[in-house]
Amino acid sequence: ETGVTQSPTHLIKTRGQQVTLRCSSQSGHNTVSWYQQALGQGPQFIFQYYREEENGRGNFPPRFSGLQFPNYSSELNVNALELDDSALYLCASSLPSGGANTGELFFGEGSRLTVL
Amino acid sequence: AQSVTQPDIHITVSEGASLELRCNYSYGATPYLFWYVQSPGQGLQLLLKYFSGDTLVQGIKGFEAEFKRSQSSFNLRKPSVHWSDAAEYFCAVENQAGTALIFGKGTTLSVSS
Repeated sequence: ETGVTQSPTHLIKTRGQQVTLRCSSQSGHNTVSWYQQALGQGPQFIFQYYREEENGRGNFPPRFSGLQFPNYSSELNVNALELDDSALYLCASSLPSGGANTGELFFGEGSRLTVL
Repeated sequence: AQSVTQPDIHITVSEGASLELRCNYSYGATPYLFWYVQSPGQGLQLLLKYFSGDTLVQGIKGFEAEFKRSQSSFNLRKPSVHWSDAAEYFCAVENQAGTALIFGKGTTLSVSS
């Protein structure tokens, strides 16, 4: 049990719609990262939030946006959905980079988004 | 640019046989390297990580990995595979900013009886 929970687990949207995915981080973790995992691919970094601020961003367009709340939970918002946005969206919480915990991400089970 | 290559898309191993999953990375400095495992319907779980020091690192579930700088490799090994090891395995390197992991495309491990 990693302690990272994501909702919803599955959802279906149509092209052009907007979606919000939610993530509760593991207790004590103040850093949340989002990854997109397309079918048959490894996870790709979308962005990271630390203390409610975006702390790094991958090669994703601005229609991918996020929030982190004071309790360290997080949302991923995707506007103007495209067919290629169909994927498993993974949330991971962690302690800040540096020291023995560097890179150790605790993943949720993901939200599977299908765009029709 | 940093990258990770996992040359084997799918490997089948007999139960009880040894396993080696290959991983090659591209990184300018000393890399921070990881292996994660993803079982069907589950999130990713960290198996082991390398930061510095001893190039042979031990992980959970009996896995180990060896860092070879000269070959830019970080191969995962297990001496005796169990049916429960069937899963998707991902090698990853931390980016220079320390904000993200760059994953390979993964290797699917099937275990035959």
